[in-house]
Amino acid sequence: RKEVEQDPGPFNVPEGATVAFNCTYSNSASQSFFWYRQDCRKEPKLLMSVYSSGNEDGRFTAQLNRASQYISLLIRDSKLSDSATYLCVVNSANTGNQFYFGTGTSLTVIP
Amino acid sequence: EAGVAQSPRYKIIEKRQSVAFWCNPISGHATLYWYQQILGQGPKLLIQFQNNGVVDDSQLPKDRFSAERLKGVDSTLKIQPAKLEDSAVYLCASSLRAGNQPQHFGDGTRLSIL
Repeated sequence: RKEVEQDPGPFNVPEGATVAFNCTYSNSASQSFFWYRQDCRKEPKLLMSVYSSGNEDGRFTAQLNRASQYISLLIRDSKLSDSATYLCVVNSANTGNQFYFGTGTSLTVIP
Repeated sequence: EAGVAQSPRYKIIEKRQSVAFWCNPISGHATLYWYQQILGQGPKLLIQFQNNGVVDDSQLPKDRFSAERLKGVDSTLKIQPAKLEDSAVYLCASSLRAGNQPQHFGDGTRLSIL
């Protein structure tokens, strides 16, 4: 079983739509969670960390469900500039603090 | 603040040749990572350094890949000899320290093996 699993998509949504991505992780001892954004042929960039109580940054909301071992990313009022691949990242202290990346979910926002 | 610097940006070599990549992390970042990202996949950790020591190299193909960070600052990753399946983007990242600190990535080196 993979450490981190994501639906690869692609998700094609119209501008202004709300879209949500889920990511599941296999290690129940995982401690840190992040969402990264990766544009085509570019490096991953940190979008937001995911806190236990959930957190929001503008149009982006991240949530963590430890019982079901998944994290989610909600994007409201999608913009054309949100088109990218969104990578789920999980870190576990009991595996040497290694970071595990999902394969990414592709989002295209359509005019 | 300067970001993570990597060079070269692109490299094309023939199989069985050798290649080296260089990375200079963000100043003050103790932890440095090398990742391999194959097209359509997420980054896969090859090796993690804490200062000049190796923390994790369990996924590094040690028969052909090597990496060092002798002075605890910049790092080099070498492949010798290269195979066709090594074609990928090699990303370097750094963080203040290991653990729950987010990582900052360089632009990557795009390697093509002919």
